[in-house]
Amino acid sequence: EPEVTQTPSHQVTQMGQEVILRCVPISNHLYFYWYRQILGQKVEFLVSFYNNEISEKSEIFDDQFSVERPDGSNFTLKIRSTKLEDSAMYFCASSDSTWGQYFGPGTRLTVT
Amino acid sequence: AQKVTQAQTEISVVEKEDVTLDCVYETRDTTYYLFWYKQPPSGELVFLIRRNSFDEQNEISGRYSWNFQKSTSSFNFTITASQVVDSAVYFCAQRRAGTASKLTFGTGTRLQVTL
Repeated sequence: EPEVTQTPSHQVTQMGQEVILRCVPISNHLYFYWYRQILGQKVEFLVSFYNNEISEKSEIFDDQFSVERPDGSNFTLKIRSTKLEDSAMYFCASSDSTWGQYFGPGTRLTVT
Repeated sequence: AQKVTQAQTEISVVEKEDVTLDCVYETRDTTYYLFWYKQPPSGELVFLIRRNSFDEQNEISGRYSWNFQKSTSSFNFTITASQVVDSAVYFCAQRRAGTASKLTFGTGTRLQVTL
């Protein structure tokens, strides 16, 4: 069964560094999403992406964040200058239409 | 704005007990979708079920069942004869109709099943 994959599974970075989180959505899906989950808290929407542009973004998704689909398969989330409060699990999801969003296994980001 | 409330923060049951996880949602949309996801200790989000707002038929899948009641804006999840492997955090979520709309999650209910 096709699945969403994410790399790396765990990323440790120092405050102020740039990180890129990578996702490979399900191949025939057209809608892509990033969510994050701070430890012990709920899953929060960051951004949705369709047709090579952002469809919607939350207040969390400020100028430090950007998303890109650099080729036909990858979908990336970049955090330009990480802060301690960016430490969280980041989930990528993809969808083909109106049905459910399928989530990747997540990347745990630790900012020290 | 959409909101999902899971009032139960944590539930502990003994194996083989039945347990119901509550979910109440708020929306002004007439068409929307409701979901349940399971997050085991390993951290991934496992899709369990999706319901459309115009389909109030309850659903059963093995030991799992879902009770959708539009009149009370609730979408409750029952596990029958719980097992230790059911121990996880369960999230209820909602999204409006529309192809790229986001999921709004509740705060989750941690279910602990012990022997």
